[in-house]
Amino acid sequence: QQQVKQSPQSLIVQKGGISIINCAYENTAFDYFPWYQQFPGKGPALLIAIRPDVSEKKEGRFTISFNKSAKQFSLHIMVSQPGDSATYFCAASRTGGYQKVTFGIGTKLQVIP
Amino acid sequence: NAGVTQTPKFRVLKTGQSMTLLCAQDMNHEYMYWYRQDPGMGLRLIHYSVGEGTTAKGEVPDGYNVSRLKKQNFLLGLESAAPSQTSVYFCASSSPTGRAKNIQYFGAGTRLSVL
Repeated sequence: QQQVKQSPQSLIVQKGGISIINCAYENTAFDYFPWYQQFPGKGPALLIAIRPDVSEKKEGRFTISFNKSAKQFSLHIMVSQPGDSATYFCAASRTGGYQKVTFGIGTKLQVIP
Repeated sequence: NAGVTQTPKFRVLKTGQSMTLLCAQDMNHEYMYWYRQDPGMGLRLIHYSVGEGTTAKGEVPDGYNVSRLKKQNFLLGLESAAPSQTSVYFCASSSPTGRAKNIQYFGAGTRLSVL
């Protein structure tokens, strides 16, 4: 049962363009939505996260947009760079107590010069 | 600042062999996790621990066992390896409190091939 659906699975973007990755969740009890970035040969690392009480969070070129009513959230990478080429995972969890994190299947992003 | 350290980084096993993957964290985190990563499947939770001496099953626990004898260490065991266990294994840790609450910190992974 895939509780967090992520798309697309792969994405090719021109340098300077906008990369957009979408996720949808089912469990309305989720209250924490992180994005993890994974470079080849490395473990995932937290990139940016949002809570459902805000509709948008921006950190540098990375922005999360959150639509609570639609149960959807997305990652936007502005002015994409070749160094952004990585696999991105969206995730969702409930805070408080044990924090089981449900991950999306991942999006492999390639930014070409 | 080592964070989460996994050993070994690579391993090749024959079907039926056993092995133990080691995970150590130096952040004094209460929670620790073992995931496997397979193409098109994302990260799937194998087992987790909410404290020293405790373990629990995740989504895909069959064929694996774990132990958390010390707070900083979380071991994943394969008693009789099968080709279906060929994967990249990640250990992670997190804290239920503090500014880093909810953030999972991952190791660099162990790439395991079972022939």
